[in-house]
Amino acid sequence: QLQLQESGPGLVKPSETLSLTCTVSGGSIGSSSYYWTWLRQPPGKGLEWIGNIYYSGNTYYYPSLKSRVTISVGTSKKKFSLTLSSVTAADTAVYYCARRRGESSSGYIDYWGQGTLVTVSS
Amino acid sequence: QSVLTQPPSASGTPGQRVTISCSGSSSNIGSNTVNWYQQLPGTAPKLLIYWNNQRPSGVPDRFSASKSGTSASLAISGLQSEDEADYYCETWDDSLHGYVVFGGGTKLTVL
Repeated sequence: QLQLQESGPGLVKPSETLSLTCTVSGGSIGSSSYYWTWLRQPPGKGLEWIGNIYYSGNTYYYPSLKSRVTISVGTSKKKFSLTLSSVTAADTAVYYCARRRGESSSGYIDYWGQGTLVTVSS
Repeated sequence: QSVLTQPPSASGTPGQRVTISCSGSSSNIGSNTVNWYQQLPGTAPKLLIYWNNQRPSGVPDRFSASKSGTSASLAISGLQSEDEADYYCETWDDSLHGYVVFGGGTKLTVL
């Protein structure tokens, strides 16, 4: 059974960089047909896709975040990471890592991490 | 402002049938498959429907969905108290370089 677990600081100062890691167990990021995904959910609000990375290293980012986001895969193929630069209070959210299965136009998220709350505050 | 439009709330009594709509455009729902997720309070979302109308293993057949043109809908029949949750539609949008889009979510209350 695939499991994903987010880890990283729960508090980030404004203008600094948010960094999170997702550890994948029960599977490998090196498998084809899967896109390893980051999403977020501001408190009391809806879901927002941040971006994803394919096992080959190809990345896709949400247009409005693209200039601040980087998603990468660790050498062990068991972890992938998110960095979001120049954060503001608007970036306060529960951040989820997930696996999106299938091609872009017909993909769906079949596994989710439990989520981690990141607060941007001085 | 979400790319996909859902009603913010819906409600029903136990045993009733409720539907939740999701409206988009030709660049998203009109040309790609739609998925639905259920988010119980305080938990991560869970896949409810994929490829417009397919249920993952373990999802009761009380949940069904359909897509027509640039809109999709989720139906829940035989409403139960444990169905009280937030529901989100999701698909791919072909504009720009392509990206995943969600509806704003619908909070379902079981009266």
